[in-house]
Amino acid sequence: NAGVTQTPKFQVLKTGQSMTLQCAQDMNHNSMYWYRQDPGMGLRLIYYSASEGTTDKGEVPNGYNVSRLNKREFSLRLESAAPSQTSVYFCASSENSGPGAETQYFGPGTRLLVL
Amino acid sequence: QKEVEQNSGPLSVPEGAIASLNCTYSDRGSQSFFWYRQYSGKSPELIMFIYSNGDKEDGRFTAQLNKASQYVSLLIRDSQPSDSATYLCAVYSSASKIIFGSGTRLSIRP
Repeated sequence: NAGVTQTPKFQVLKTGQSMTLQCAQDMNHNSMYWYRQDPGMGLRLIYYSASEGTTDKGEVPNGYNVSRLNKREFSLRLESAAPSQTSVYFCASSENSGPGAETQYFGPGTRLLVL
Repeated sequence: QKEVEQNSGPLSVPEGAIASLNCTYSDRGSQSFFWYRQYSGKSPELIMFIYSNGDKEDGRFTAQLNKASQYVSLLIRDSQPSDSATYLCAVYSSASKIIFGSGTRLSIRP
């Protein structure tokens, strides 16, 4: 099992460009998450999907959109990239989002640089 | 006040000693608590989770939870250089969301 995979691993964008970060998991998990990690800020939740067909905003959703394409895949889109979105993006999944099943498994991350 | 607070470190501990990492949280209704380890340039990986007050041991790691004081800690016995990493505390809040602290950087000196 590959666990959680993310593409691309690294991306450079110019301000105003758009891109989609892809995430897939093969653990049959119901819940999926997108985080960004900036130095000294820890992990901040952008969006999450508690189950297929649902998505909800996290702590820092502005400038992002998500799509839960199916149970396996959860994508993050930047419509018009800004330098403030330079960060490392992690996708994660968990069996469920409720107590007892909320342990999260992380993908390897995408390093995004916006010039 | 941050919802989950950790001392950013770095915490320097001699090899073979006990490393003690601390975390406090603000939501008294929080239900479960996690410690993740993150090596530089890598993704977080779960070390332990704890739900009940008291201690939970797994090998060289012990998680301690005190809900009355809203405090959770991680002890690492017989610290090894390979334990050098950033340790993230995470809390499953009463709002059904996982909130991460900003992490404590641990350095084990030979």
